[in-house]
Amino acid sequence: EAGVAQSPRYKIIEKRQSVAFWCNPISGHATLYWYQQILGQGPKLLIQFQNNGVVDDSQLPKDRFSAERLKGVDSTLKIQPAKLEDSAVYLCASSVEVGAGVNTEAFFGQGTRLTVV
Amino acid sequence: SQQGEEDPQALSIQEGENATMNCSYKTSINNLQWYRQNSGRGLVHLILIRSNEREKHSGRLRVTLDTSKKSSSLLITASRAADTASYFCATDAGGGSEKLVFGKGTKLTVNP
Repeated sequence: EAGVAQSPRYKIIEKRQSVAFWCNPISGHATLYWYQQILGQGPKLLIQFQNNGVVDDSQLPKDRFSAERLKGVDSTLKIQPAKLEDSAVYLCASSVEVGAGVNTEAFFGQGTRLTVV
Repeated sequence: SQQGEEDPQALSIQEGENATMNCSYKTSINNLQWYRQNSGRGLVHLILIRSNEREKHSGRLRVTLDTSKKSSSLLITASRAADTASYFCATDAGGGSEKLVFGKGTKLTVNP
């Protein structure tokens, strides 16, 4: 079974530039997550999709971050404009459809390491 | 916001010893999960324990859950150098939320 695919693996940009990350979840997984992990910290949930609807985006800085999940499959996360504090690893994960407030095992991609200079 | 809080933040042991990590959380949950992360890699799911379960085993892993104390522990027995990694607990955010929220993690070092 193919895992969660993310690209690119690494990205270096200057502050105020824009950047986009791509994620292809495991086939058939309805739930897709984007996390931000700053060095030495736990993953912070940015946005969670169920199919192509948003379950939660309460911690997504909407003035600069946006995410979409087209046709309930692939997803992109965009930052525009980037700030120095956005330097982090961006992790995408997917799981089978959850319901009634119950989570199941999440499968993670390798992540994209973003450095903003 | 962080739901789970792992303790200790860092743990260093010798190969063959047991490692115990704890997780405390704030609100009622449906289940609790433990994940492992090797340096520079994605997270890997280890075990899921439901709120009506008290203990669960998987190979050298033993997880306990005490919902009255809102806490869980992960025990790794007979540790190996390859167990060196960061370990995170994750829960739903409570109140019927389906969000999957992670703690800050415990960095485990197993010395050969």
